[in-house]
Amino acid sequence: DAGITQSPRHKVTETGTPVTLRCHQTENHRYMYWYRQDPGHGLRLIHYSYGVKDTDKGEVSDGYSVSRSKTEDFLLTLESATSSQTSVYFCAISGESGRSYNEQFFGPGTRLTVL
Amino acid sequence: DQQVKQNSPSLSVQEGRISILNCDYTNSMFDYFLWYKKYPAEGPTFLISISSIKDKNEDGRFTVFLNKSAKHLSLHIVPSQPGDSAVYFCAASVGNNRKLIWGLGTSLAVNP
Repeated sequence: DAGITQSPRHKVTETGTPVTLRCHQTENHRYMYWYRQDPGHGLRLIHYSYGVKDTDKGEVSDGYSVSRSKTEDFLLTLESATSSQTSVYFCAISGESGRSYNEQFFGPGTRLTVL
Repeated sequence: DQQVKQNSPSLSVQEGRISILNCDYTNSMFDYFLWYKKYPAEGPTFLISISSIKDKNEDGRFTVFLNKSAKHLSLHIVPSQPGDSAVYFCAASVGNNRKLIWGLGTSLAVNP
């Protein structure tokens, strides 16, 4: 299994507070992704990174920012959390050759509840 | 607009029988397709994939069929086992674009 961890695994916060989720990989893969999963919507891409300090928006990026200062870490920040951001958040990684080129490997997820 | 569609939200089959999960797509530029399985409270895990230059790929009990003219792919699981009960996602990508486009998933229940 790909070495991907997410922290925290569960978080409850209040509307208006900032929240940062962390994704950490030990595979040295170049590409990293943040998704959210909601009932009826499947997996939706929030932001992705194609290298250190190189990031781009996905389809549901409003209200989220990301940073990647090291290959192994990709941070997702909710600047001011809203109840609509209550979701399960998944991090994924992919590489540049072989099986890891087309496939994405997922972390265990973070369940975020915004009250 | 959903470019990858899984029109059956759920499917129930008996243990030992065949499970067939379907996926349709609208973008003819998609050239790589993947199936993922997801258990509750876990991340999706890769199951099987197929390139657009092929029409079939097999891995043990799992076979994916691709019909490019119909823009349709299907995942066959034979024989189905209770441990196969999960949500199955179909995903697609275009060339070197590293982003995957996902379907909404089909929940498979395999009954003993």
